[in-house]
Amino acid sequence: AQTVTQSQPEMSVQEAETVTLSCTYDTSESDYYLFWYKQPPSRQMILVIRQEAYKQQNATENRFSVNFQKAAKSFSLKISDSQLGDAAMYFCAYRSFNNDMRFGAGTRLTVKP
Amino acid sequence: GAGVSQSPSNKVTEKGKDVELRCDPISGHTALYWYRQRLGQGLEFLIYFQGNSAPDKSGLPSDRFSAERTGESVSTLTIQRTQQEDSAVYLCASSQRLAGGSYEQYFGPGTRLTVT
Repeated sequence: AQTVTQSQPEMSVQEAETVTLSCTYDTSESDYYLFWYKQPPSRQMILVIRQEAYKQQNATENRFSVNFQKAAKSFSLKISDSQLGDAAMYFCAYRSFNNDMRFGAGTRLTVKP
Repeated sequence: GAGVSQSPSNKVTEKGKDVELRCDPISGHTALYWYRQRLGQGLEFLIYFQGNSAPDKSGLPSDRFSAERTGESVSTLTIQRTQQEDSAVYLCASSQRLAGGSYEQYFGPGTRLTVT
């Protein structure tokens, strides 16, 4: 079974600075999808960014970008120009081609004003 | 349009009682997932339904847990003879496709279950 590992239980960043959240995964598949979700205190899960494994180009969404290293099975999230509203739990997720979905344990991000 | 809804938002029950949690997915979404999230932890996959195929129940932790889905609409997660370790937030998500594609999962607000 696929596993997703987030090795940083907590991270902190100064407002307007850049922070990178780490994620690694284990799989024997070649086709899959990777996601970063944000969960603020409201508990509502929000999709931040997604990456198809067959695409070499790293996905970007405004201030959010990923560093996808397929050979290393690494999928880190970079948040640029951090804002107070970015404070939340961030979950890395792996989705196999047949819809099997696995989440990491999460990283709690604190943004300091 | 309306998002994924779940009810109740909070449920407190006594140990040993049965509980039923409900999820209303987004209309037209063929795939539906249930997850459990213990306090301060990540999401634990429980079960998913995809169209008319047999559900993937591989994540259900014990035979006290079961789930049903009526066609491509409402799903209920039932926990029988609840135990204190069942206390968690139960999240439901739906997505647009059966398999393949990077369609995102849309999550409901969750049901917080407390077993006393």
